[in-house]
Amino acid sequence: DGGITQSPKYLFRKEGQNVTLSCEQNLNHDAMYWYRQDPGQGLRLIYYSQIVNDFQKGDIAEGYSVSREKKESFPLTVTSAQKNPTAFYLCASSMRDTRYSNQPQHFGDGTRLSIL
Amino acid sequence: AQKITQTQPGMFVQEKEAVTLDCTYDTSDQSYGLFWYKQPSSGEMIFLIYQGSYDEQNATEGRYSLNFQKARKSANLVISASQLGDSAMYFCAMREWGYGNKLVFGAGTILRVKS
Repeated sequence: DGGITQSPKYLFRKEGQNVTLSCEQNLNHDAMYWYRQDPGQGLRLIYYSQIVNDFQKGDIAEGYSVSREKKESFPLTVTSAQKNPTAFYLCASSMRDTRYSNQPQHFGDGTRLSIL
Repeated sequence: AQKITQTQPGMFVQEKEAVTLDCTYDTSDQSYGLFWYKQPSSGEMIFLIYQGSYDEQNATEGRYSLNFQKARKSANLVISASQLGDSAMYFCAMREWGYGNKLVFGAGTILRVKS
């Protein structure tokens, strides 16, 4: 079945360590997104990408980095510069063509990141 | 900047009754889209319903319907015949047109269905 796969489901980070969250989709979507969700709150956009080899900062990009070398993949690195990384991270994808403007973003099951 | 406001942090509803979850939005764009998502305790985001700004009729999807009042800038979600499985967090979101087709999310409303 088509969908978005995020791994790992749970991740622990030590102080000063960079960690990478994986996001893979087989929906043939051009656009991909990373969101952060803190307990009891809504989603905030970290980074997004419309096409391969191009990405843009969202509202809370500081302390994070991404790459988009393949259409199917959009990994997120949480760097040591992100001082409060404990959160639930969600990856999403969507069609880019505005002819499909009523199509929603599809989400993965998320990764829960905690600090050791 | 676009903004979504969900004023109800939590709601209770009796099983089999209907419930309305409020959503108001702020935008200067004439063309926009509004989405509702459900997030169970397991964390995944489930798309429920979509309303386009130029749609003349309110959207409906099974037990979900949208009470869209464009002049008031509100897009309330109505869930009919509530079920225990409807207990979850519900998010209203607006799509920003143009580059990125980004979604702006509200803070969400927790719904608890009582038996």
